[in-house]
Amino acid sequence: RKEVEQDPGPFNVPEGATVAFNCTYSNSASQSFFWYRQDCRKEPKLLMSVYSSGNEDGRFTAQLNRASQYISLLIRDSKLSDSATYLCVVNMPNGGATNKLIFGTGTLLAVQP
Amino acid sequence: DGGITQSPKYLFRKEGQNVTLSCEQNLNHDAMYWYRQDPGQGLRLIYYSQIVNDFQKGDIAEGYSVSREKKESFPLTVTSAQKNPTAFYLCASRDRVVTEAFFGQGTRLTVV
Repeated sequence: RKEVEQDPGPFNVPEGATVAFNCTYSNSASQSFFWYRQDCRKEPKLLMSVYSSGNEDGRFTAQLNRASQYISLLIRDSKLSDSATYLCVVNMPNGGATNKLIFGTGTLLAVQP
Repeated sequence: DGGITQSPKYLFRKEGQNVTLSCEQNLNHDAMYWYRQDPGQGLRLIYYSQIVNDFQKGDIAEGYSVSREKKESFPLTVTSAQKNPTAFYLCASRDRVVTEAFFGQGTRLTVV
């Protein structure tokens, strides 16, 4: 089982649609969680951190479910500029005091006019 | 400006040669990471370091080596033992174990 799993997509949606991405992780001791956005041939950039209580930033909402070991990202009122790959990232303990950041394979979103 | 700088942006290497990718940060971050990304794929962890003079292997460390002699610098050497080195290499850093990571712009390595 992969440490972090995402549906690779692609998700093809019309402008204005609501789209949701899910991500599961294997290590229940994982401490922190993030969603990153990556545009074609560019470096990933932080979209939002994911908190236990859930958090919202404009059209974007992130949720964490520790019991089921998954995180989600909801995008409302999709824009053409939202087209990108969305990466789920989990901070996992790796023995002792070390932690490693593990990325999912990413979910490709294509918003159509 | 504070940030992470990777150089060069594009790099061509002949088969059998070692090559070193540079990663420098002036964010005063303790932890640094190297990832590899293949076309249409996610990021795979090569090596990471949480303090100076210490580093750990990631999931795909074979054929790579690193050093962390200074807090600001975490160079990655792609050795001739790496069978498929052509990829996009990304360096990242962060200041505490629970905060987000910041990335450099990446180095595209092509073996010719």
